[in-house]
Amino acid sequence: DGGITQSPKYLFRKEGQNVTLSCEQNLNHDAMYWYRQDPGQGLRLIYYSQIVNDFQKGDIAEGYSVSREKKESFPLTVTSAQKNPTAFYLCASSIDSGGGWGEQFFGPGTRLTVL
Amino acid sequence: QQQVKQSPQSLIVQKGGISIINCAYENTAFDYFPWYQQFPGKGPALLIAIRPDVSEKKEGRFTISFNKSAKQFSLHIMDSQPGDSATYFCAARDDKIIFGKGTRLHILP
Repeated sequence: DGGITQSPKYLFRKEGQNVTLSCEQNLNHDAMYWYRQDPGQGLRLIYYSQIVNDFQKGDIAEGYSVSREKKESFPLTVTSAQKNPTAFYLCASSIDSGGGWGEQFFGPGTRLTVL
Repeated sequence: QQQVKQSPQSLIVQKGGISIINCAYENTAFDYFPWYQQFPGKGPALLIAIRPDVSEKKEGRFTISFNKSAKQFSLHIMDSQPGDSATYFCAARDDKIIFGKGTRLHILP
């Protein structure tokens, strides 16, 4: 049963703490993405990775970090430098279509709340 | 240039009615226009998509109309049902996929 899993579903963090959100896919997709969703803001790209051991900043990368050590995994760390981290975080993956991003397959999301 | 402008922000439709969501773009290099459906607390899922060489694509009750000269495309949901209540995102792709800000659709029973 192929798909994308994100954990945890809900996460609470105290101000000043770093937290790491997990994203795993067994679709054998080359590319993986992290988006942030806020009400009325749509989906904003944080980071993306088209190949293992390589990743690029998206539109709102400040205060976030990622790694891509395995094809299946693309964890996102929300650092204390992120000023407003409370949001719904979505991980996605796609086949690398060569000429552009392929269809995005999304995980179920992690809702992060800073207390 | 890279934006995809989506309207309306929210929409209420009676059951059985037609729901229409519109998107506009400026970048003529966009080559793929997907629509995503998202239920509360879930991730978005691809609903239907179109390429710019086609003016209309229909899948069941869902239709994309594409006007290349006007740089606009729209999603029509025929015979709207309460189960269609969700947030809908249009998107467009050149080297990246750019999402609209979403439309929250509510179908009245």
